[in-house]
Amino acid sequence: GAGVSQTPSNKVTEKGKYVELRCDPISGHTALYWYRQSLGQGPEFLIYFQGTGAADDSGLPNDRFFAVRPEGSVSTLKIQRTERGDSAVYLCASSLIPQETQYFGPGTRLLVL
Amino acid sequence: RKEVEQDPGPFNVPEGATVAFNCTYSNSASQSFFWYRQDCRKEPKLLMSVYSSGNEDGRFTAQLNRASQYISLLIRDSKLSDSATYLCVVSKGAGGTSYGKLTFGQGTILTVHP
Repeated sequence: GAGVSQTPSNKVTEKGKYVELRCDPISGHTALYWYRQSLGQGPEFLIYFQGTGAADDSGLPNDRFFAVRPEGSVSTLKIQRTERGDSAVYLCASSLIPQETQYFGPGTRLLVL
Repeated sequence: RKEVEQDPGPFNVPEGATVAFNCTYSNSASQSFFWYRQDCRKEPKLLMSVYSSGNEDGRFTAQLNRASQYISLLIRDSKLSDSATYLCVVSKGAGGTSYGKLTFGQGTILTVHP
């Protein structure tokens, strides 16, 4: 079956611009997670949704980062006033329920110039 | 101090070798433990969960020492296809399952050569 998909696969933007990253979870998965991975590091948790609500947003680095999941399926991670330090791979994962294995998408590579 | 720390590596081993990776975690509330594998420029994939009694999956053996807050992964008879980054992961989920936030180590790079 189809796995987690993310679009775009690559995004190049300029400092100060706004970007949106999209995640389509595996059909039927109620839990959705966003992580960020910098070069040479492991993924770092950003936010986790159970259904439409953010169950844990403790990993969002500051108020420039925001994520939504309005219908409990697709999620969008929004970054305002991008900075060069935001450059990383943004990974999305989903699981059937929070207690189950998380399956990751291929990620969006964001480069802020 | 990072919540999950791993051997920095990289490890370069010949085919057929046995290699071991170690990991320590600082949060005693951690309940669930995993090893993920990540190929170059790919997403992480679950390799195996780690249970208190230790567990084996083919050539892979995982051990957990809760008292020392230490996790290990042993790979026997290494194959070229084992070349990847191995990520140690902990979570506060109970009962050997993940729940919400996964906390990853920085990963250890393994290269298996002919």
